[in-house]
Amino acid sequence: EDQVTQSPEALRLQEGESSSLNCSYTVSGLRGLFWYRQDPGKGPEFLFTLYSAGEEKEKERLKATLTKKESFLHITAPKPEDSATYLCAVQADNYGQNFVFGPGTRLSVLP
Amino acid sequence: NAGVTQTPKFQVLKTGQSMTLQCAQDMNHNSMYWYRQDPGMGLRLIYYSASEGTTDKGEVPNGYNVSRLNKREFSLRLESAAPSQTSVYFCASSEIPDRAYGYTFGSGTRLTVV
Repeated sequence: EDQVTQSPEALRLQEGESSSLNCSYTVSGLRGLFWYRQDPGKGPEFLFTLYSAGEEKEKERLKATLTKKESFLHITAPKPEDSATYLCAVQADNYGQNFVFGPGTRLSVLP
Repeated sequence: NAGVTQTPKFQVLKTGQSMTLQCAQDMNHNSMYWYRQDPGMGLRLIYYSASEGTTDKGEVPNGYNVSRLNKREFSLRLESAAPSQTSVYFCASSEIPDRAYGYTFGSGTRLTVV
C-alpha cells in the first residue's frame, strides 16, 4: 500500500539548534515530492519540489534533499519564526496529478 | 493578491443539516481541489476538478458533492452533515502541468457538526 510518513511527529528546538525532519514514502513511480509549511489557522504554503534522487533545494535556513525512499528537510540555525507544521506530499504514477500528504511534523523553536 | 478565498471561515452545523463551502481563485488556474485535514491523518483529497467542466472523486468523496461553477469557483456541498465530517476543509488550486509551484491553498473552513 502506498504510504507517506513523517517523523518525528513533533520537535522542539532551541533557537540556533539545527536539526532534520524526515519524510518517508513507499509509492511506485515517484513524479515529485513537495514540502509545505503550515502556520496555525492557515493553509499550507508551498516551499519546494524535488523530482529525482540526489536533488537538493535551499531557501533561507531550509534545505530539502531527496533519496529513493525518503526526503529530509534540514533546518540550520532555526529562529522562532520557523515554528510551524511542515508537510510533505508525493505525486506518483498511481495518483495522476494529485498528491498524497504525510501527517506533518510540528516544529517549535524556542527563543 | 487574494489567491484562494474560502468562505465561511467557521461553521457549526447540526447533524442532518446541509451547507455549501465556497472557494474562489483569482490566479487563472485550471485545476481546483477540496481537501479535509484531520489530526494525525494529513490532508485527504475529497474531490477535484482538473479543468472547467470536469470533476472527479478523490480519496474520501462519500457524503460530499461539488460544483465547478466556472474557472474561478469550486464549491463543496454537504447534503446531510454527520459528526464524522467535523474537520478543517481546504480548497486549493494549481496550474497544470506546471508542478514546480505546487498548490496554492486557501486559509480553510473549520466545520463542526454536532
